[in-house]
Amino acid sequence: GENVEQHPSTLSVQEGDSAVIKCTYSDSASNYFPWYKQELGKRPQLIIDIRSNVGEKKDQRIAVTLNKTAKHFSLHITETQPEDSAVYFCAARVTGGGNKLTFGTGTQLKVEL
Amino acid sequence: GAGVSQTPSNKVTEKGKYVELRCDPISGHTALYWYRQSLGQGPEFLIYFQGTGAADDSGLPNDRFFAVRPEGSVSTLKIQRTERGDSAVYLCASSPAGTAYNEQFFGPGTRLTVL
Repeated sequence: GENVEQHPSTLSVQEGDSAVIKCTYSDSASNYFPWYKQELGKRPQLIIDIRSNVGEKKDQRIAVTLNKTAKHFSLHITETQPEDSAVYFCAARVTGGGNKLTFGTGTQLKVEL
Repeated sequence: GAGVSQTPSNKVTEKGKYVELRCDPISGHTALYWYRQSLGQGPEFLIYFQGTGAADDSGLPNDRFFAVRPEGSVSTLKIQRTERGDSAVYLCASSPAGTAYNEQFFGPGTRLTVL
């Protein structure tokens, strides 16, 4: 089955700096890659997603890039703010594999003042 | 109306007991998913319903776990003979239809603790 690896497990940045979180996936049939943000004790919430026919997608301070050849995708957050502090999860969905998402292990992002 | 809801929010039980966890999806969402999240890990898929039927139950760890969705709305995850290793947050998610790119909206989860 699909396997998703995520790095780093923790990331600390200064407010205003950029943060990058990277994920790799194993199944070349994966075609959908969402990113979820989970604050402490809260539910995961979708922040951005990308389909396999697109190389990059941007939404204000958040962008995601996808390299299908290398089977990796990344989340980029610019001009980080304290409210960006949370755990971020990448996920992948395999074509024809039902609709289940396979998640990475998460990145704890801390934005310091 | 509101988002996905789950009850109870917390459940403490003893080893060997039976538990039921409930999920109320967003009204009109035909697809419903159960995931399990252990401390420090990402959600792990358990089962997916499209309407009333389980379209994919490949993530259920063993036959102690079972889920139903009899009317295509509310779902119940049932765990028999609970074990300490079952302790985790059980997340439910729903989406408008069982298609590839629909966002899965998550509930707040039920924290299960097996003593």
